[in-house]
Amino acid sequence: AQKVTQAQTEISVVEKEDVTLDCVYETRDTTYYLFWYKQPPSGELVFLIRRNSFDEQNEISGRYSWNFQKSTSSFNFTITASQVVDSAVYFCALRMNTGFQKLVFGTGTRLLVSP
Amino acid sequence: NAGVTQTPKFRVLKTGQSMTLLCAQDMNHEYMYWYRQDPGMGLRLIHYSVGEGTTAKGEVPDGYNVSRLKKQNFLLGLESAAPSQTSVYFCASSPAGGLENTEAFFGQGTRLTVV
Repeated sequence: AQKVTQAQTEISVVEKEDVTLDCVYETRDTTYYLFWYKQPPSGELVFLIRRNSFDEQNEISGRYSWNFQKSTSSFNFTITASQVVDSAVYFCALRMNTGFQKLVFGTGTRLLVSP
Repeated sequence: NAGVTQTPKFRVLKTGQSMTLLCAQDMNHEYMYWYRQDPGMGLRLIHYSVGEGTTAKGEVPDGYNVSRLKKQNFLLGLESAAPSQTSVYFCASSPAGGLENTEAFFGQGTRLTVV
């Protein structure tokens, strides 16, 4: 079975702090994809990143960075110098490449960034 | 570009009433999905479709029916609404398999309250 665990329910930080959101996944497939989505207070789901299981390189996009480690089945997300606009719920998701390719979501982490 | 459009955006139903949620996508995607989002539970798959005329059950299908008569539309029906179906509903679409085309695009969500 496939599963995504986001153990941090809510995180509160002060602006300019760095924060890491944890994501641990379970799958028996060798080919799969990992995603992060952001859900701001307005409610829509915003795609942030996709990573396939063959690419373990870390990725940086502005203040965002992602650390993918197959050895620990983790795909963690770090926001550097957080801003109030980063306040949102962040979802990690897993998608297999066999059978029907549904997205399996974690329960989300609510990030509150205060001024 | 419209992407994925859901209607309505908000709805209040009385217990026992029926309604249909409409999802339309203009990206010619093969796959379409209906998810529900509940506090602390992330997004859970209700039903999905891998192509026009085909539907299948997801994780939490009870109390819902779906139809995909046209490739661009995926309808979610509640025949007899119950308070337990109070939730935010998301529709999504994605291209069929392959290493590159694995991102799912989400609609804006429908907030449904059953009283």
